[in-house]
Amino acid sequence: GAVVSQHPSWVICKSGTSVKIECRSLDFQATTMFWYRQFPKQSLMLMATSNEGSKATYEQGVEKDKFLINHASLTLSTLTVTSAHPEDSSFYICSARELAGEAYEQYFGPGTRLTVT
Amino acid sequence: GQNIDQPTEMTATEGAIVQINCTYQTSGFNGLFWYQQHAGEAPTFLSYNVLDGLEEKGRFSSFLSRSKGYSYLLLKELQMKDSASYLCAAMDSNYQLIWGAGTKLIIKP
Repeated sequence: GAVVSQHPSWVICKSGTSVKIECRSLDFQATTMFWYRQFPKQSLMLMATSNEGSKATYEQGVEKDKFLINHASLTLSTLTVTSAHPEDSSFYICSARELAGEAYEQYFGPGTRLTVT
Repeated sequence: GQNIDQPTEMTATEGAIVQINCTYQTSGFNGLFWYQQHAGEAPTFLSYNVLDGLEEKGRFSSFLSRSKGYSYLLLKELQMKDSASYLCAAMDSNYQLIWGAGTKLIIKP
């Protein structure tokens, strides 16, 4: 149980276009989903925390108008990178916290590798 | 401020034992996590400690000392597939994970 999927697993897009990444909890309901970004040889950086039905909370330095997060249901959150630029190329990982689970349990998706050319 | 420190890289021999240390400073504390991350993949959960002491799970064990703000991950009978980055993360009072930069473990035959 506790499986989180992400789609797509990798994407290449041109500079200036927008890309949407989906994060789904497949067998549980997630009140909270987290979006991380990881650059090569660096640790995970939390971008934002999203709770179902409410606006996401962004970390300092993360542009909320550039990284649009929608958590419309208990099983789906989306991250849209708007007007992507090469510096946005990174590994984006989502994780989800189960509605009925312990507060500390967080399940990670497989990640989405974004390359902006 | 909040901070996690762990070594950048370690090298060990197949079949041996290696200990990866982690020190943390957080606003409040709700547990210490260890994750394994292979290159190009998402992290996978290894262990969670919230009480002092050693938790053993097969070849992997994790230790926590809350008074010292210290944890370690112990890997026994190392296998080549254990070559990966090991991430230490502490959960603060808001249940937010504070991540270390990861320790790249290189296993040599």
